[in-house]
Amino acid sequence: EADIYQTPRYLVIGTGKKITLECSQTMGHDKMYWYQQDPGMELHLIHYSYGVNSTEKGDLSSESTVSRIRTEHFPLTLESARPSHTSQYLCASSESGISPLHFGNGTRLTVT
Amino acid sequence: GEDVEQSLFLSVREGDSSVINCTYTDSSSTYLYWYKQEPGAGLQLLTYIFSNMDMKQDQRLTVLLNKKDKHLSLRIADTQTGDSAIYFCAESPGYSSASKIIFGSGTRLSIRP
Repeated sequence: EADIYQTPRYLVIGTGKKITLECSQTMGHDKMYWYQQDPGMELHLIHYSYGVNSTEKGDLSSESTVSRIRTEHFPLTLESARPSHTSQYLCASSESGISPLHFGNGTRLTVT
Repeated sequence: GEDVEQSLFLSVREGDSSVINCTYTDSSSTYLYWYKQEPGAGLQLLTYIFSNMDMKQDQRLTVLLNKKDKHLSLRIADTQTGDSAIYFCAESPGYSSASKIIFGSGTRLSIRP
């Protein structure tokens, strides 16, 4: 059973629209992460958070932004979607920096 | 910086054993992980090994760690069609609470009848 939830599962949207990808976890984990992954390809860390009101940019530059107002919630926002944003976005959480990551099922975003 | 490397593809016959290899560079790694990703899904933690262990076995899965050579392997015994997936090796470098897990590029395992 999943303890970390991502919605929507699939999203097709036109260029220029603002979108928010939701991620919630029920495990009380302080650390949360967003990865971008093209199909069958490697993971790229785009954002992470070590707790409420803490957000950092990851290794891959991204035009998206994140917020962490509550421990369980870590939404990702794109102010103006472009076709280059088409990808799968995976959210994850962990108890500590060295603990295993728990992943959601991902949001597959297509920008037309 | 830290790096984790894996071969991209592996093809095995159903019923045979699969061995997926991984090398890493950070000698201060604490935990090393294997994740499985099925098509269209997130990553599922399969198993992990602490850096002071040489081997861990869990049903059909055997993890071997050679710390001297910084080499990690995952052996899947009696490979089944349901084992078709991408397998990611990952390491957590160091003990700092700020450490971030580093993933390899993934090995795509395909099963031949």
